[in-house]
Amino acid sequence: QKEVEQNSGPLSVPEGAIASLNCTYSDRGSQSFFWYRQYSGKSPELIMFIYSNGDKEDGRFTAQLNKASQYVSLLIRDSQPSDSATYLCAVQGGKLIFGQGTELSVKP
Amino acid sequence: DAGVIQSPRHEVTEMGQEVTLRCKPISGHNSLFWYRQTMMRGLELLIYFNNNVPIDDSGMPEDRFSAKMPNASFSTLKIQPSEPRDSAVYFCASSPGQGSQPQHFGDGTRLSIL
Repeated sequence: QKEVEQNSGPLSVPEGAIASLNCTYSDRGSQSFFWYRQYSGKSPELIMFIYSNGDKEDGRFTAQLNKASQYVSLLIRDSQPSDSATYLCAVQGGKLIFGQGTELSVKP
Repeated sequence: DAGVIQSPRHEVTEMGQEVTLRCKPISGHNSLFWYRQTMMRGLELLIYFNNNVPIDDSGMPEDRFSAKMPNASFSTLKIQPSEPRDSAVYFCASSPGQGSQPQHFGDGTRLSIL
């Protein structure tokens, strides 16, 4: 079992829809959770972080954490074509472990 | 504010040559990380430093790889001798602390070993 698992996608959603990106992790002691966005040929860019169970909202982005289920998700409301990128989930236990990323495509 | 600065942006060299990648972390950040990204293996942590001291180098693939951080504003990742399988994008990242602080990435070095 991989330490951090994401569906590779691609996930395709129409413009204006809600995109839902999911991530599971194996280390039950993990304390910090991050979502990075990576455009093709660019570096990962931090978009959200969450430390506590529940939801955290920042503009069109909402991160959700459920430590009991070892599950973290990212919702993108009103998806735009500019949101098309690979989204990396990263989980901090002893060190930061990245998932393989989910490719999101937002169609106009 | 200046972000993490890496150089060179691109490097193409022949196998067997020495390669040195450079990184300047964000001022005031005391943790620095070197990652390698490939299609097959994704983003892998190679080594990280805290207060210029290597803390975890378990991700360094083999003895051909070495990293140094002589001061708080500079780090190098060296590959000697280089091999075609080292071709990847190498990222440097820094964060304000050792624990759960978010990491900020540089633009990366795209390395091609022929």
